[in-house]
Amino acid sequence: NAGVTQTPKFQVLKTGQSMTLQCAQDMNHEYMSWYRQDPGMGLRLIHYSVGAGITDQGEVPNGYNVSRSTTEDFPLRLLSAAPSQTSVYFCASSYNPGQETQYFGPGTRLLVL
Amino acid sequence: KNEVEQSPQNLTAQEGEFITINCSYSVGISALHWLQQHPGGGIVSLFMLSSGKKKHGRLIATINIQEKHSSLHITASHPRDSAVYICAVKPTFSQGGSEKLVFGKGTKLTVNP
Repeated sequence: NAGVTQTPKFQVLKTGQSMTLQCAQDMNHEYMSWYRQDPGMGLRLIHYSVGAGITDQGEVPNGYNVSRSTTEDFPLRLLSAAPSQTSVYFCASSYNPGQETQYFGPGTRLLVL
Repeated sequence: KNEVEQSPQNLTAQEGEFITINCSYSVGISALHWLQQHPGGGIVSLFMLSSGKKKHGRLIATINIQEKHSSLHITASHPRDSAVYICAVKPTFSQGGSEKLVFGKGTKLTVNP
């Protein structure tokens, strides 16, 4: 199994550009989530999904959209990038939110100029 | 006040020392996770606890539900243990019904040879 994969590994954007961060898992996990990690702060939940077709907002959802058309894929869209969205983004998946082992992707480092 | 507090923030040890990292939380929880983030950025799940104690190799995690406290111990520490250790809790009641983990800010451990 590849586990949780994320692309790209690193991206530079200009303010106002849009892009999609890709996340995929091959473990048939129902629960997937997106976090951002900023210096001096813990991981913060952006959006999550408890299954295909079901998504919900986390702690810091503004400026991001998600969709879950399949169990495997959970892309994160930045609609109009802002410097405040410079961060490292992690995708994670598990069978059960919080009650089972969480599997994390390798992260995407995003720089918005 | 953060719901999850870790101490110390930074810890430097000599190879072979016994290490303790602490995690205190202020809410009722159904599970607590210990994660390890390597210098390269990848995040790995170490333990998921709801009571008692778990051991894996040189790592031991304990939790005291009544005191809302967990510890991660590393015996016979080694330079390869150098990483950021993150505590996360699954609150029993999440605002808005969201399924989420709440993360501490992490403890940076450096083990010198």
